[in-house]
Amino acid sequence: DTGVSQDPRHKITKRGQNVTFRCDPISEHNRLYWYRQTLGQGPEFLTYFQNEAQLEKSRLLSDRFSAERPKGSFSTLEIQRTEQGDSAMYLCASSRTLADYGTEQYFGPGTRLTVT
Amino acid sequence: AQSVTQLDSQVPVFEEAPVELRCNYSSSVSVYLFWYVQYPNQGLQLLLKYLSGSTLVKGINGFEAEFNKSQTSFHLRKPSVHISDTAEYFCAVSDLRGSQGNLIFGKGTKLSVKP
Repeated sequence: DTGVSQDPRHKITKRGQNVTFRCDPISEHNRLYWYRQTLGQGPEFLTYFQNEAQLEKSRLLSDRFSAERPKGSFSTLEIQRTEQGDSAMYLCASSRTLADYGTEQYFGPGTRLTVT
Repeated sequence: AQSVTQLDSQVPVFEEAPVELRCNYSSSVSVYLFWYVQYPNQGLQLLLKYLSGSTLVKGINGFEAEFNKSQTSFHLRKPSVHISDTAEYFCAVSDLRGSQGNLIFGKGTKLSVKP
């Protein structure tokens, strides 16, 4: 168990550019979540995958955001035409699928995005 | 819709003193409750969770929390804190109705332990 990894850890981009983040979940976990955390706030849910299927998207996920998990393993989160308001920490988490919905979500270290 | 309120944004405390971090939630349905800790430049780590059963839940690092349904609270406590407990603590709920299990977090409480 090597934990959830995210790449890059930091990204600085200019407004209007596109950025892509990667998340590698724990290998046996088939649920994968993306959250966004801004300064002084708790993480906010963005989207969720069960294997390769994207099952839910938050209203926070505007049409400039797209997430994929093509083979049910790693996931990517792309932001097109970045805006300064997109500056945040983007967190990825994974968990097992069990009947018990209280299964623990394991979080990665996050990708900190700064849009200048 | 669910919501979580962490009443204190910052809690300063001296080493070896007891601490309580407060969390209240709002939900029209039953929920699971969680406390996560975030150390600087790291991801979130689960401290403890309440799913059902005993309302007093024990977690890692000597932390415990008590679920109070009538007061819709899930306060986190530790009888004696260490310098290493300095971190940000997040309370979260998960809607039992949903199959996705996404978490709704409070804004966090920064615990600062002073020598």
